[in-house]
Amino acid sequence: DAGVTQSPTHLIKTRGQQVTLRCSPKSGHDTVSWYQQALGQGPQFIFQYYEEEERQRGNFPDRFSGHQFPNYSSELNVNALLLGDSALYLCASSLPGLGNTIYFGEGSWLTVV
Amino acid sequence: GENVEQHPSTLSVQEGDSAVIKCTYSDSASNYFPWYKQELGKGPQLIIDIRSNVGEKKDQRIAVTLNKTAKHFSLHITETQPEDSAVYFCAASTRGADGLTFGKGTHLIIQP
Repeated sequence: DAGVTQSPTHLIKTRGQQVTLRCSPKSGHDTVSWYQQALGQGPQFIFQYYEEEERQRGNFPDRFSGHQFPNYSSELNVNALLLGDSALYLCASSLPGLGNTIYFGEGSWLTVV
Repeated sequence: GENVEQHPSTLSVQEGDSAVIKCTYSDSASNYFPWYKQELGKGPQLIIDIRSNVGEKKDQRIAVTLNKTAKHFSLHITETQPEDSAVYFCAASTRGADGLTFGKGTHLIIQP
Protein backbone atom coordinates (compact mmCIF):
# COMPACT_ATOMS: atom_id res chain seq x y z
CA ASP A 1 0.00 0.00 0.00
CA ALA A 2 1.63 3.20 -1.17
CA GLY A 3 1.67 6.02 1.32
CA VAL A 4 1.42 9.71 0.50
CA THR A 5 3.67 10.49 -2.46
CA GLN A 6 4.95 13.91 -3.45
CA SER A 7 6.88 15.33 -6.37
CA PRO A 8 9.34 16.77 -7.01
CA THR A 9 11.51 16.00 -3.98
CA HIS A 10 13.77 19.02 -4.47
CA LEU A 11 13.62 22.12 -6.62
CA ILE A 12 15.23 25.52 -6.92
CA LYS A 13 13.33 28.57 -8.16
CA THR A 14 14.14 32.23 -8.66
CA ARG A 15 12.36 34.98 -6.75
CA GLY A 16 9.23 36.07 -8.61
CA GLN A 17 8.71 32.74 -10.36
CA GLN A 18 5.83 30.33 -9.86
CA VAL A 19 5.99 26.73 -8.64
CA THR A 20 3.64 23.73 -8.69
CA LEU A 21 4.00 20.83 -6.26
CA ARG A 22 2.11 17.57 -6.60
CA CYS A 23 0.68 15.03 -4.17
CA SER A 24 -1.01 11.66 -4.39
CA PRO A 25 -2.84 10.68 -1.21
CA LYS A 26 -2.68 7.35 0.57
CA SER A 27 -4.93 4.74 -0.97
CA GLY A 28 -8.54 5.19 0.16
CA HIS A 29 -7.99 8.74 1.43
CA ASP A 30 -10.00 11.57 -0.10
CA THR A 31 -8.89 14.54 2.00
CA VAL A 32 -5.61 16.28 1.27
CA SER A 33 -3.91 19.01 3.30
CA TRP A 34 -0.78 21.03 2.63
CA TYR A 35 1.71 22.29 5.21
CA GLN A 36 4.79 24.50 5.07
CA GLN A 37 7.72 23.65 7.32
CA ALA A 38 10.51 26.20 7.64
CA LEU A 39 13.89 24.99 8.85
CA GLY A 40 13.83 24.27 12.58
CA GLN A 41 10.09 24.89 12.91
CA GLY A 42 6.94 22.82 13.11
CA PRO A 43 4.72 22.43 10.04
CA GLN A 44 2.19 25.21 9.42
CA PHE A 45 -1.20 24.45 7.91
CA ILE A 46 -1.78 26.04 4.49
CA PHE A 47 -5.13 24.57 3.39
CA GLN A 48 -7.19 21.43 3.02
CA TYR A 49 -9.08 20.00 0.05
CA TYR A 50 -12.06 17.68 0.12
CA GLU A 51 -14.36 16.82 -2.78
CA GLU A 52 -12.27 19.09 -5.02
CA GLU A 53 -12.98 22.16 -2.91
CA GLU A 54 -10.89 24.11 -0.43
CA ARG A 55 -12.51 23.35 2.91
CA GLN A 56 -10.25 25.08 5.38
CA ARG A 57 -7.39 27.56 5.07
CA GLY A 58 -4.61 28.67 7.37
CA ASN A 59 -2.98 32.07 7.57
CA PHE A 60 -1.34 32.15 4.15
CA PRO A 61 -1.68 34.79 1.41
CA ASP A 62 -3.56 34.31 -1.84
CA ARG A 63 -0.26 33.62 -3.59
CA PHE A 64 -0.76 30.11 -2.26
CA SER A 65 -3.46 28.24 -4.13
CA GLY A 66 -4.35 24.65 -4.72
CA HIS A 67 -6.42 22.18 -6.58
CA GLN A 68 -7.78 18.71 -6.03
CA PHE A 69 -8.54 16.38 -8.92
CA PRO A 70 -11.31 13.77 -9.19
CA ASN A 71 -8.81 11.02 -8.33
CA TYR A 72 -8.11 12.92 -5.05
CA SER A 73 -4.57 13.93 -6.03
CA SER A 74 -3.71 17.54 -5.38
CA GLU A 75 -1.46 20.39 -6.45
CA LEU A 76 -0.07 23.33 -4.50
CA ASN A 77 0.74 26.44 -6.50
CA VAL A 78 2.77 29.35 -5.21
CA ASN A 79 3.00 32.54 -7.30
CA ALA A 80 5.43 35.44 -7.12
CA LEU A 81 7.90 33.45 -5.02
CA LEU A 82 9.69 35.21 -2.17
CA LEU A 83 12.93 34.17 -0.49
CA GLY A 84 10.86 33.43 2.62
CA ASP A 85 8.91 30.77 0.74
CA SER A 86 11.96 28.51 0.95
CA ALA A 87 10.78 25.54 3.02
CA LEU A 88 9.76 21.90 3.07
CA TYR A 89 6.22 21.57 1.70
CA LEU A 90 4.37 18.62 3.13
CA CYS A 91 1.26 16.96 1.84
CA ALA A 92 -0.95 14.99 4.21
CA SER A 93 -3.95 12.80 3.57
CA SER A 94 -6.75 11.36 5.66
CA LEU A 95 -10.28 10.09 5.54
CA PRO A 96 -12.90 12.77 6.17
CA GLY A 97 -14.49 13.09 9.56
CA LEU A 98 -13.50 13.68 13.14
CA GLY A 99 -10.22 12.44 14.52
CA ASN A 100 -9.07 10.42 11.54
CA THR A 101 -5.37 9.75 11.35
CA ILE A 102 -3.37 12.14 9.20
CA TYR A 103 -0.46 10.71 7.22
CA PHE A 104 2.31 12.84 5.77
CA GLY A 105 4.43 12.44 2.69
CA GLU A 106 8.20 12.97 2.61
CA GLY A 107 7.78 16.52 1.31
CA SER A 108 9.10 18.73 -1.45
CA TRP A 109 12.10 20.90 -0.62
CA LEU A 110 11.75 24.32 -2.26
CA THR A 111 14.66 26.73 -2.36
CA VAL A 112 14.03 30.26 -3.66
CA VAL A 113 17.12 32.18 -4.72
CA GLY B 1 -6.73 30.45 16.84
CA GLU B 2 -5.06 27.51 18.51
CA ASN B 3 -1.57 27.90 20.00
CA VAL B 4 0.56 24.89 20.97
CA GLU B 5 3.61 25.23 23.20
CA GLN B 6 6.12 22.37 23.41
CA HIS B 7 8.91 21.75 25.93
CA PRO B 8 11.77 21.11 26.08
CA SER B 9 13.27 22.12 22.74
CA THR B 10 16.15 19.67 23.27
CA LEU B 11 16.20 16.57 25.47
CA SER B 12 19.21 14.33 26.01
CA VAL B 13 18.76 11.02 27.85
CA GLN B 14 20.85 7.93 28.43
CA GLU B 15 19.95 4.86 26.42
CA GLY B 16 17.47 2.79 28.41
CA ASP B 17 16.12 5.75 30.39
CA SER B 18 12.71 7.36 29.89
CA ALA B 19 11.96 10.57 28.01
CA VAL B 20 9.01 12.90 28.57
CA ILE B 21 7.94 15.71 26.24
CA LYS B 22 5.19 18.11 27.26
CA CYS B 23 2.77 20.27 25.29
CA THR B 24 0.08 22.78 26.21
CA TYR B 25 -2.70 24.06 24.01
CA SER B 26 -4.90 27.12 24.22
CA ASP B 27 -8.20 26.23 22.53
CA SER B 28 -10.48 24.22 24.81
CA ALA B 29 -12.38 23.07 21.68
CA SER B 30 -9.35 21.01 20.53
CA ASN B 31 -10.21 17.34 20.60
CA TYR B 32 -7.47 15.50 18.66
CA PHE B 33 -3.80 15.33 19.71
CA PRO B 34 -1.30 13.43 17.55
CA TRP B 35 2.45 13.05 18.04
CA TYR B 36 4.84 12.83 15.11
CA LYS B 37 8.46 11.74 14.81
CA GLN B 38 10.54 13.39 12.13
CA GLU B 39 13.94 12.12 11.07
CA LEU B 40 16.38 14.28 9.15
CA GLY B 41 15.23 14.89 5.57
CA LYS B 42 11.97 12.99 5.99
CA GLY B 43 8.31 13.78 6.51
CA PRO B 44 6.62 13.50 9.93
CA GLN B 45 5.64 9.98 10.92
CA LEU B 46 2.66 9.48 13.23
CA ILE B 47 3.70 7.54 16.34
CA ILE B 48 0.62 7.84 18.54
CA ASP B 49 -2.50 9.97 18.88
CA ILE B 50 -5.18 10.57 21.49
CA ARG B 51 -8.67 11.97 21.39
CA SER B 52 -10.31 14.14 24.02
CA ASN B 53 -12.57 11.38 25.33
CA VAL B 54 -9.53 9.38 26.48
CA GLY B 55 -7.07 10.28 29.24
CA GLU B 56 -4.23 7.93 28.38
CA LYS B 57 -3.14 5.69 25.53
CA LYS B 58 -0.23 3.28 25.32
CA ASP B 59 1.49 1.49 22.46
CA GLN B 60 4.44 -0.66 23.55
CA ARG B 61 7.19 1.74 24.76
CA ILE B 62 5.21 4.87 23.89
CA ALA B 63 2.38 6.43 25.88
CA VAL B 64 0.47 9.70 25.72
CA THR B 65 -1.50 11.34 28.53
CA LEU B 66 -4.06 14.11 28.21
CA ASN B 67 -5.30 16.50 30.89
CA LYS B 68 -8.22 18.44 29.38
CA THR B 69 -8.73 20.60 32.47
CA ALA B 70 -5.16 21.86 32.42
CA LYS B 71 -5.02 21.74 28.59
CA HIS B 72 -1.82 19.80 28.39
CA PHE B 73 -0.69 16.48 26.99
CA SER B 74 2.56 14.56 27.24
CA LEU B 75 4.54 11.94 25.35
CA HIS B 76 6.34 9.26 27.36
CA ILE B 77 8.96 7.00 25.81
CA THR B 78 10.33 4.23 28.04
CA GLU B 79 13.48 2.12 27.57
CA THR B 80 14.83 4.55 24.98
CA GLN B 81 16.92 3.20 22.12
CA PRO B 82 19.34 4.92 19.69
CA GLU B 83 16.73 4.77 16.92
CA ASP B 84 14.44 6.97 19.03
CA SER B 85 16.76 9.91 18.29
CA ALA B 86 14.77 12.35 16.15
CA VAL B 87 12.66 15.52 16.36
CA TYR B 88 9.25 14.97 17.94
CA PHE B 89 6.26 17.23 17.30
CA CYS B 90 3.00 17.49 19.18
CA ALA B 91 -0.08 18.87 17.45
CA ALA B 92 -3.69 19.75 18.19
CA SER B 93 -6.82 20.07 16.11
CA THR B 94 -10.31 21.26 16.88
CA ARG B 95 -11.96 19.04 14.32
CA GLY B 96 -9.78 15.99 14.07
CA ALA B 97 -9.00 15.57 10.42
CA ASP B 98 -8.85 19.31 9.73
CA GLY B 99 -5.81 21.53 10.02
CA LEU B 100 -3.32 20.65 12.73
CA THR B 101 -1.49 23.25 14.83
CA PHE B 102 2.00 22.00 15.65
CA GLY B 103 4.40 22.74 18.47
CA LYS B 104 7.94 23.81 17.61
CA GLY B 105 9.42 20.39 18.16
CA THR B 106 11.73 18.60 20.60
CA HIS B 107 15.09 17.29 19.47
CA LEU B 108 15.49 14.01 21.37
CA ILE B 109 19.05 12.74 21.67
CA ILE B 110 19.69 9.24 22.99
CA GLN B 111 23.19 8.99 24.51
CA PRO B 112 24.78 5.51 24.25
